[in-house]
Amino acid sequence: DVKVTQSSRYLVKRTGEKVFLECVQDMDHENMFWYRQDPGLGLRLIYFSYDVKMKEKGDIPEGYSVSREKKERFSLILESASTNQTSMYLCASSLYPTASSNTGELFFGEGSRLTVL
Amino acid sequence: AQTVTQSQPEMSVQEAETVTLSCTYDTSESDYYLFWYKQPPSRQMILVIRQEAYKQQNATENRFSVNFQKAAKSFSLKISDSQLGDAAMYFCAYRRGGANSKLTFGKGITLSVRP
Repeated sequence: DVKVTQSSRYLVKRTGEKVFLECVQDMDHENMFWYRQDPGLGLRLIYFSYDVKMKEKGDIPEGYSVSREKKERFSLILESASTNQTSMYLCASSLYPTASSNTGELFFGEGSRLTVL
Repeated sequence: AQTVTQSQPEMSVQEAETVTLSCTYDTSESDYYLFWYKQPPSRQMILVIRQEAYKQQNATENRFSVNFQKAAKSFSLKISDSQLGDAAMYFCAYRRGGANSKLTFGKGITLSVRP
């Protein structure tokens, strides 16, 4: 089974702190994603990466950055945390979709609930 | 831009009954995929069912089936013989065909199951 592991389930940080959220997947997936989940807003894509050292902005990249130095690891960085970044953060991975094979379905981690005070 | 709409924020179903969750999407693409994901309380999100747009036949997975109406851009999920473990948040999602395309999610619907 695919396993996507997020390093912290719950974090409490102060405004202005630098925050690192780590995600590791063990199935050699090319694609990795960071989503933010808020009540009434669903999942919104922050950043994604389809290869090592590659990154693409999602729908709400402001205030975030990412790092992908190794294929299995994708980190989300909040350079200076703010209270409006209090949220559930979901990491996901997927195989690189091809014409005949997989549909690019996502495999999710358990989520990291971040509270910024 | 593609959008996915789940207009009902909450639904409730009696155990053993059938419930249908609605989803509509907007796209100009002809090659795309649709998904339903389930997120149980405090647990990770998992894929329930997927549908390729080029397939005429509606996908089924045990008690879960979809009603895919391509012309109407509708993709509803039917859960038969509902069980207590079906209580969760359900998200509809869309991905256009091709590499490096991302999933777009609806806002989700919270399903409760009454014993």
